[in-house]
Parts: sequence; C-alpha cells; structure tokens
Amino acid sequence: KNEVEQSPQNLTAQEGEFITINCSYSVGISALHWLQQHPGGGIVSLFMLSSGKKKHGRLIATINIQEKHSSLHITASHPRDSAVYICGVNYGGSQGNLIFGKGTKLSVKP
Amino acid sequence: DAGITQSPRHKVTETGTPVTLRCHQTENHRYMYWYRQDPGHGLRLIHYSYGVKDTDKGEVSDGYSVSRSKTEDFLLTLESATSSQTSVYFCAISESQQTQYFGPGTRLLVL
Repeated sequence: KNEVEQSPQNLTAQEGEFITINCSYSVGISALHWLQQHPGGGIVSLFMLSSGKKKHGRLIATINIQEKHSSLHITASHPRDSAVYICGVNYGGSQGNLIFGKGTKLSVKP
Repeated sequence: DAGITQSPRHKVTETGTPVTLRCHQTENHRYMYWYRQDPGHGLRLIHYSYGVKDTDKGEVSDGYSVSRSKTEDFLLTLESATSSQTSVYFCAISESQQTQYFGPGTRLLVL
C-alpha cells in the first residue's frame, strides 16, 4: 500500500526556534508537495520538488530520493508559522496518483 | 492568489438528496482536482480532470461523479448524499505536475 507518513504529528516550539518536519513515503515518486493549512482552513502550496532542495524565505524543503524522505525546515520560527503542514506525493505516471500525509500541526509560542 | 472559487461555501442537506459543488478558475490551468478532507485521514483525491471532458478517478471516487464541460468549471456531484460524505471539499488547479493552487473549500453537512 502506498503511504505517506509525517512526523511529528504535533509540534510546539518557542518563537525563534529552528523547526523540522519530516515526511517518508513508501514508493518511487515523480514529485513531492509541501502544503500549509492555516487555522482558518485555507491551503497554500509551499513547495513542489522532485530532487535536491528549495528555499523560499525562512522555509527550506529537501528531498532524498534514495531514502524516500523529505524534510521541511523553518528557520527563526514565528507565531504566524502556526499551521498544519501537509506532505503529499505524486507516484506512478498518472496525475491522479496523489496521496497525502495526515499533516503535522505546528504551534509556535511567542 | 490564483483565481479559484468554490460554491457554495457551506451547505447542509439531507441524506438521499443530490448535491452539486462547483469549482471555477480564471487561470486557464489544464488540471483540476476535487479533494475531501476529514479528521484522521487528511486530504484524499476524489476525481481529477486533465482537460475538457477528460476526467479520471482518484483514491475515494465511490459515490461521486464529476463533469468538466468548460476549461474553467469542474463540477462535483453527489448523486444521493450520505452522512459519510459530510466533509470539507477542496478544489485545486495546476499546470501538469506543477504547484497546485487550492480553493477556499466547501463545508458539507449531510444530515
């Protein structure tokens, strides 16, 4: 069964801390997505990557294809980073082969 | 922000009634998707479209049908709603395997 596992499920940090959220998957993929879901429910796409590393502001996403693992890092965390972070993967040749993890709920305290 | 709207944003209906949710985009993206999000399951793909009149099933397609007669509109229909279809429904768009842009979501309650 194709699965996407995220860890931790919940994470509480103090403002300014460096944060890492992990994502592991079980099959070969063509792309991996990181999404952010705000407390109000809206979903924003942060990154789509298939190799290496991408950076946007204080957010960094890395992927290790051989180990089937990706990490999302947040530097100098801020309370506005509080959200659910969701990892998802495209596998196989079809655009419909998309599965997501259950998310990591991050709370950053001032 | 990508131009994606969903309607209605909230709906309460009764078991056995038909329900249609609409996703509208102004970005001319090729791909459109319908997801449902439930506690303990995360986002799950229901159906997707790769062009006008071209659709395919996702992970949880049973009980749902879709149609795309125009590039900008993707409709999700529950032919006979059941309580298990109470959920938050998200539409998304993308160009090929690129970044997906999500709509604001529709909260559906089936009584």
